[in-house]
Amino acid sequence: EIVLTQSPGTLSLSPGERATLSCRASQSVSSSYLAWYQQKPGQAPRLLIYGASSRATGIPDRFSGSGSGTDFTLTISRLEPEDFAVYYCQQYGSSPPGTFGPGTKVDIK
Amino acid sequence: EVQLVQSGAEVKKPGESLKISCKGSGYSFTSYWIGWVRQMPGKGLEWMGIIYPGDSDTRYSPSFQGQVTISADKSISTAYLQWSSLKASDTAMYYCARLPPAAGPFDYWGQGTLVTVSS
Repeated sequence: EIVLTQSPGTLSLSPGERATLSCRASQSVSSSYLAWYQQKPGQAPRLLIYGASSRATGIPDRFSGSGSGTDFTLTISRLEPEDFAVYYCQQYGSSPPGTFGPGTKVDIK
Repeated sequence: EVQLVQSGAEVKKPGESLKISCKGSGYSFTSYWIGWVRQMPGKGLEWMGIIYPGDSDTRYSPSFQGQVTISADKSISTAYLQWSSLKASDTAMYYCARLPPAAGPFDYWGQGTLVTVSS
């Protein structure tokens, strides 16, 4: 089973700043089958990025994903107030299970 | 519009059985996998298992194999997650979500069903 590690655990930033979130896999993720989700308190997760770098429908272009193999990054170019949330990465190339990372919380500095 | 609508919150006692549901609409229910994801209070997301309603092909995470049963009734576009004997540690939010037929992420999610198990 592929294990995902996310860093940092918490990222404290101000609106307008750039956020860089990391996701590292214990072994190579096949075909870049890596997704990122955003979850706000009391809400279901929402798909942001799939295939490591493709934005899901309706996702603003300030969100971008990159990486391959075992190292992946989610970048939010300029944080908007609604972007403060928890972000999870997930690999779905080696399934079951399609493991999730532990999450990175982006909170307001 | 794709929608996954889950059944309401449940409060149960240890040892009781439970079946929660997830009804899909706005797409071909038999052409996409449906998955279940657990989120314990204050914790992260855990992939439990998936089912393909078209032929009932079901796959479980080793962590949940034998602990829950996933099923689907394609005639009413509904997937289910059930327990035969609940434990306090089953207290969590449970989400259903849709996956594309080939390898893919969870692209649409239900609103979640909160299950509370307490004596």
